[in-house]
Amino acid sequence: KQEVTQIPAALSVPEGENLVLNCSFTDSAIYNLQWFRQDPGKGLTSLLLIQSSQREQTSGRLNASLDKSSGRSTLYIAASQPGDSATYLCAVSDSWGKFQFGAGTQVVVTP
Amino acid sequence: KAGVTQTPRYLIKTRGQQVTLSCSPISGHRSVSWYQQTPGQGLQFLFEYFSETQRNKGNFPGRFSGRQFSNSRSEMNVSTLELGDSALYLCASSPKPGDEQFFGPGTRLTVL
Repeated sequence: KQEVTQIPAALSVPEGENLVLNCSFTDSAIYNLQWFRQDPGKGLTSLLLIQSSQREQTSGRLNASLDKSSGRSTLYIAASQPGDSATYLCAVSDSWGKFQFGAGTQVVVTP
Repeated sequence: KAGVTQTPRYLIKTRGQQVTLSCSPISGHRSVSWYQQTPGQGLQFLFEYFSETQRNKGNFPGRFSGRQFSNSRSEMNVSTLELGDSALYLCASSPKPGDEQFFGPGTRLTVL
Protein backbone atom coordinates (compact mmCIF):
# COMPACT_ATOMS: atom_id res chain seq x y z
CA LYS A 1 0.00 0.00 0.00
CA GLN A 2 1.38 3.40 -1.01
CA GLU A 3 2.16 5.77 1.85
CA VAL A 4 3.05 9.41 1.32
CA THR A 5 4.84 11.39 4.02
CA GLN A 6 5.55 15.10 4.22
CA ILE A 7 8.05 16.38 6.74
CA PRO A 8 8.01 18.82 8.43
CA ALA A 9 4.33 19.25 9.22
CA ALA A 10 4.84 22.99 9.68
CA LEU A 11 7.47 25.50 8.66
CA SER A 12 7.98 29.21 9.31
CA VAL A 13 10.47 31.30 7.33
CA PRO A 14 11.20 35.02 6.95
CA GLU A 15 10.27 36.68 3.69
CA GLY A 16 12.92 36.32 1.00
CA GLU A 17 14.21 32.99 2.19
CA ASN A 18 13.99 29.94 -0.09
CA LEU A 19 11.49 27.25 0.86
CA VAL A 20 12.30 23.55 0.64
CA LEU A 21 9.40 21.13 1.06
CA ASN A 22 9.84 17.38 1.14
CA CYS A 23 7.64 14.51 0.05
CA SER A 24 8.48 10.82 0.33
CA PHE A 25 6.58 7.77 -0.91
CA THR A 26 7.01 4.07 -0.24
CA ASP A 27 6.18 2.52 -3.64
CA SER A 28 8.33 3.78 -6.52
CA ALA A 29 5.88 2.46 -9.14
CA ILE A 30 4.15 5.80 -9.56
CA TYR A 31 2.48 7.24 -12.63
CA ASN A 32 2.61 10.94 -11.72
CA LEU A 33 3.48 13.15 -8.76
CA GLN A 34 1.59 16.39 -8.25
CA TRP A 35 2.16 19.32 -5.89
CA PHE A 36 -0.73 21.46 -4.64
CA ARG A 37 -1.27 24.41 -2.37
CA GLN A 38 -4.34 24.89 -0.24
CA ASP A 39 -5.47 28.08 1.44
CA PRO A 40 -7.61 27.74 4.60
CA GLY A 41 -11.12 26.49 3.84
CA LYS A 42 -10.49 26.42 0.10
CA GLY A 43 -9.95 23.80 -2.57
CA LEU A 44 -6.54 22.68 -3.80
CA THR A 45 -4.63 24.57 -6.46
CA SER A 46 -2.36 22.56 -8.73
CA LEU A 47 1.23 23.84 -8.75
CA LEU A 48 3.25 21.32 -10.69
CA LEU A 49 2.87 17.84 -12.16
CA ILE A 50 5.90 15.61 -12.66
CA GLN A 51 5.45 12.55 -14.82
CA SER A 52 7.24 9.40 -13.70
CA SER A 53 9.71 9.68 -16.60
CA GLN A 54 10.72 13.21 -15.64
CA ARG A 55 13.29 14.36 -13.07
CA GLU A 56 12.02 17.89 -12.51
CA GLN A 57 9.50 20.55 -13.47
CA THR A 58 9.72 24.33 -13.19
CA SER A 59 7.13 27.08 -13.12
CA GLY A 60 8.21 30.60 -12.24
CA ARG A 61 9.67 30.59 -8.72
CA LEU A 62 8.71 26.94 -8.25
CA ASN A 63 10.88 23.94 -9.01
CA ALA A 64 10.03 20.35 -8.18
CA SER A 65 12.37 17.39 -8.44
CA LEU A 66 11.56 13.70 -8.49
CA ASP A 67 13.79 10.77 -7.55
CA LYS A 68 11.71 7.63 -7.99
CA SER A 69 14.45 5.25 -6.91
CA SER A 70 14.69 6.85 -3.49
CA GLY A 71 10.97 7.64 -3.30
CA ARG A 72 11.41 11.38 -2.89
CA SER A 73 10.25 14.66 -4.33
CA THR A 74 11.29 18.14 -3.29
CA LEU A 75 9.47 21.39 -3.99
CA TYR A 76 11.64 24.52 -4.00
CA ILE A 77 10.08 27.96 -3.78
CA ALA A 78 12.57 30.74 -4.41
CA ALA A 79 12.49 34.08 -2.63
CA SER A 80 9.41 33.36 -0.53
CA GLN A 81 6.69 35.98 -0.07
CA PRO A 82 3.91 36.32 2.53
CA GLY A 83 1.46 35.27 -0.20
CA ASP A 84 3.17 31.88 -0.29
CA SER A 85 1.74 31.13 3.16
CA ALA A 86 -0.48 28.07 2.72
CA THR A 87 -0.51 24.32 3.16
CA TYR A 88 1.41 22.43 0.50
CA LEU A 89 0.40 18.88 -0.37
CA CYS A 90 1.96 16.29 -2.60
CA ALA A 91 0.14 13.37 -4.17
CA VAL A 92 1.26 10.36 -6.18
CA SER A 93 -0.85 8.41 -8.64
CA ASP A 94 -0.52 4.77 -9.57
CA SER A 95 -1.00 3.22 -13.00
CA TRP A 96 -4.68 2.74 -12.20
CA GLY A 97 -5.01 6.50 -11.70
CA LYS A 98 -5.61 6.51 -7.97
CA PHE A 99 -4.00 9.42 -6.09
CA GLN A 100 -2.57 9.10 -2.58
CA PHE A 101 -2.00 12.35 -0.68
CA GLY A 102 0.43 13.33 2.02
CA ALA A 103 -0.78 15.18 5.11
CA GLY A 104 0.78 18.43 3.93
CA THR A 105 3.27 21.00 5.19
CA GLN A 106 1.82 24.20 6.62
CA VAL A 107 4.01 27.14 5.60
CA VAL A 108 4.07 30.61 7.16
CA VAL A 109 6.18 33.32 5.54
CA THR A 110 6.68 36.24 7.91
CA PRO A 111 7.18 39.78 6.55
CA LYS B 1 -12.13 27.31 -19.64
CA ALA B 2 -14.35 27.28 -16.60
CA GLY B 3 -12.93 25.46 -13.61
CA VAL B 4 -14.43 22.65 -11.59
CA THR B 5 -17.66 23.72 -9.94
CA GLN B 6 -19.31 22.19 -6.90
CA THR B 7 -22.77 22.78 -5.54
CA PRO B 8 -23.88 23.59 -2.99
CA ARG B 9 -20.95 25.32 -1.33
CA TYR B 10 -22.35 24.94 2.18
CA LEU B 11 -24.82 22.51 3.71
CA ILE B 12 -26.20 21.99 7.19
CA LYS B 13 -27.98 18.70 7.88
CA THR B 14 -29.05 16.74 10.92
CA ARG B 15 -28.11 13.21 11.85
CA GLY B 16 -30.01 10.55 9.92
CA GLN B 17 -30.69 12.71 6.90
CA GLN B 18 -29.18 12.15 3.50
CA VAL B 19 -27.38 14.56 1.23
CA THR B 20 -26.41 14.82 -2.45
CA LEU B 21 -23.44 16.83 -3.64
CA SER B 22 -22.79 17.78 -7.24
CA CYS B 23 -19.61 18.29 -9.25
CA SER B 24 -19.21 19.64 -12.77
CA PRO B 25 -15.75 18.91 -14.22
CA ILE B 26 -13.72 21.04 -16.57
CA SER B 27 -15.01 20.73 -20.11
CA GLY B 28 -13.39 17.72 -21.80
CA HIS B 29 -12.38 16.04 -18.54
CA ARG B 30 -13.86 12.60 -18.18
CA SER B 31 -12.40 11.52 -14.84
CA VAL B 32 -13.90 12.77 -11.58
CA SER B 33 -12.60 11.95 -8.11
CA TRP B 34 -14.12 12.71 -4.73
CA TYR B 35 -12.28 13.33 -1.47
CA GLN B 36 -13.23 13.98 2.13
CA GLN B 37 -11.07 16.39 4.12
CA THR B 38 -11.18 16.70 7.90
CA PRO B 39 -8.68 18.26 10.32
CA GLY B 40 -7.99 14.91 11.95
CA GLN B 41 -7.77 12.59 8.94
CA GLY B 42 -6.53 14.90 6.22
CA LEU B 43 -7.49 14.28 2.62
CA GLN B 44 -9.06 10.87 2.10
CA PHE B 45 -10.02 9.37 -1.24
CA LEU B 46 -13.67 8.40 -1.63
CA PHE B 47 -14.06 7.20 -5.22
CA GLU B 48 -13.24 7.91 -8.82
CA TYR B 49 -15.40 7.76 -11.92
CA PHE B 50 -14.36 7.58 -15.55
CA SER B 51 -16.77 7.28 -18.45
CA GLU B 52 -19.67 6.67 -16.04
CA THR B 53 -17.87 3.74 -14.35
CA GLN B 54 -16.51 3.65 -10.82
CA ARG B 55 -12.85 2.64 -11.19
CA ASN B 56 -11.49 3.14 -7.71
CA LYS B 57 -13.05 3.20 -4.29
CA GLY B 58 -11.63 4.28 -0.96
CA ASN B 59 -12.20 2.75 2.43
CA PHE B 60 -15.57 4.29 3.27
CA PRO B 61 -18.82 2.62 4.35
CA GLY B 62 -21.59 1.87 1.88
CA ARG B 63 -23.47 4.97 3.05
CA PHE B 64 -21.20 6.85 0.67
CA SER B 65 -22.07 6.37 -2.97
CA GLY B 66 -21.68 8.19 -6.23
CA ARG B 67 -22.40 8.19 -9.89
CA GLN B 68 -21.31 9.88 -13.08
CA PHE B 69 -23.50 10.99 -15.93
CA SER B 70 -22.86 10.85 -19.66
CA ASN B 71 -21.80 14.54 -19.65
CA SER B 72 -19.15 13.64 -17.00
CA ARG B 73 -20.93 15.51 -14.23
CA SER B 74 -20.84 13.57 -11.00
CA GLU B 75 -22.87 13.34 -7.81
CA MET B 76 -22.08 11.80 -4.48
CA ASN B 77 -24.65 10.79 -1.92
CA VAL B 78 -24.31 10.19 1.77
CA SER B 79 -27.19 8.46 3.49
CA THR B 80 -27.99 8.26 7.19
CA LEU B 81 -25.66 11.11 8.08
CA GLU B 82 -23.49 10.88 11.19
CA LEU B 83 -21.78 13.65 13.12
CA GLY B 84 -18.42 12.37 11.85
CA ASP B 85 -19.44 13.06 8.26
CA SER B 86 -18.96 16.77 8.86
CA ALA B 87 -16.14 17.69 6.48
CA LEU B 88 -15.07 19.53 3.38
CA TYR B 89 -15.93 17.39 0.35
CA LEU B 90 -13.70 18.04 -2.63
CA CYS B 91 -14.13 17.04 -6.21
CA ALA B 92 -11.29 16.89 -8.74
CA SER B 93 -11.36 16.37 -12.48
CA SER B 94 -8.74 15.29 -15.01
CA PRO B 95 -8.79 14.36 -18.69
CA LYS B 96 -8.28 10.70 -17.77
CA PRO B 97 -7.32 8.76 -14.63
CA GLY B 98 -3.86 9.60 -13.30
CA ASP B 99 -3.57 12.87 -15.24
CA GLU B 100 -3.12 16.24 -13.55
CA GLN B 101 -6.04 16.84 -11.21
CA PHE B 102 -7.88 20.13 -10.85
CA PHE B 103 -9.95 20.71 -7.76
CA GLY B 104 -13.20 22.50 -7.16
CA PRO B 105 -13.78 24.84 -4.19
CA GLY B 106 -15.45 22.11 -2.15
CA THR B 107 -18.73 21.66 -0.30
CA ARG B 108 -18.64 22.29 3.43
CA LEU B 109 -21.02 19.83 5.09
CA THR B 110 -21.98 20.28 8.72
CA VAL B 111 -23.99 17.55 10.45
CA LEU B 112 -25.78 18.57 13.65
